[in-house]
Amino acid sequence: GENVEQHPSTLSVQEGDSAVIKCTYSDSASNYFPWYKQELGKRPQLIIDIRSNVGEKKDQRIAVTLNKTAKHFSLHITETQPEDSAVYFCAASMREYGNKLVFGAGTILRVKS
Amino acid sequence: DGGITQSPKYLFRKEGQNVTLSCEQNLNHDAMYWYRQDPGQGLRLIYYSQIVNDFQKGDIAEGYSVSREKKESFPLTVTSAQKNPTAFYLCASSVLAGRNEQYFGPGTRLTVT
Repeated sequence: GENVEQHPSTLSVQEGDSAVIKCTYSDSASNYFPWYKQELGKRPQLIIDIRSNVGEKKDQRIAVTLNKTAKHFSLHITETQPEDSAVYFCAASMREYGNKLVFGAGTILRVKS
Repeated sequence: DGGITQSPKYLFRKEGQNVTLSCEQNLNHDAMYWYRQDPGQGLRLIYYSQIVNDFQKGDIAEGYSVSREKKESFPLTVTSAQKNPTAFYLCASSVLAGRNEQYFGPGTRLTVT
């Protein structure tokens, strides 16, 4: 089955700097790659997603890139702010499996002001 | 915060007792999912259901059971056979066609002593 690895497990950046989180997946049939943000004690919330027919997607300070050949995708956050501090999860899924998501282990992002 | 609800928010049980966690959605989503989250780990899939009266085991189904008698409801029972039941449990739902986004409930934190 699908396996998703996520790095780094923790990331500390200075406010205003950029943050990059990387994920690799094992199954080339995966075609949907969302990123979720989870604040302490709260539910995960989708922040951006990308499909396998797209190489990059941006939404304000957040962008996701996908390299299908290498089977990896990355989350880029620019101009980080203290409220970006949270746990970020990547995931992968194949439509044929009823949207079942396989999650990475998560990255704790700390933005220092 | 409507859409998908879980109750209760906190649940305490004695070892050896079965306990049922509630998950209800009014989004008219076909698919529903149960995840378990432990500190420092990603979300692990317990069970999922794409249609009423049908469900499939996820990666860590042992010691858990589910039912899907109504489209809106997908309760999870944590049985006494689950060796380490203390965890944060998250329910999610999604459509099966179009965008694969999963919407999460607020979670139930179960503590078994």
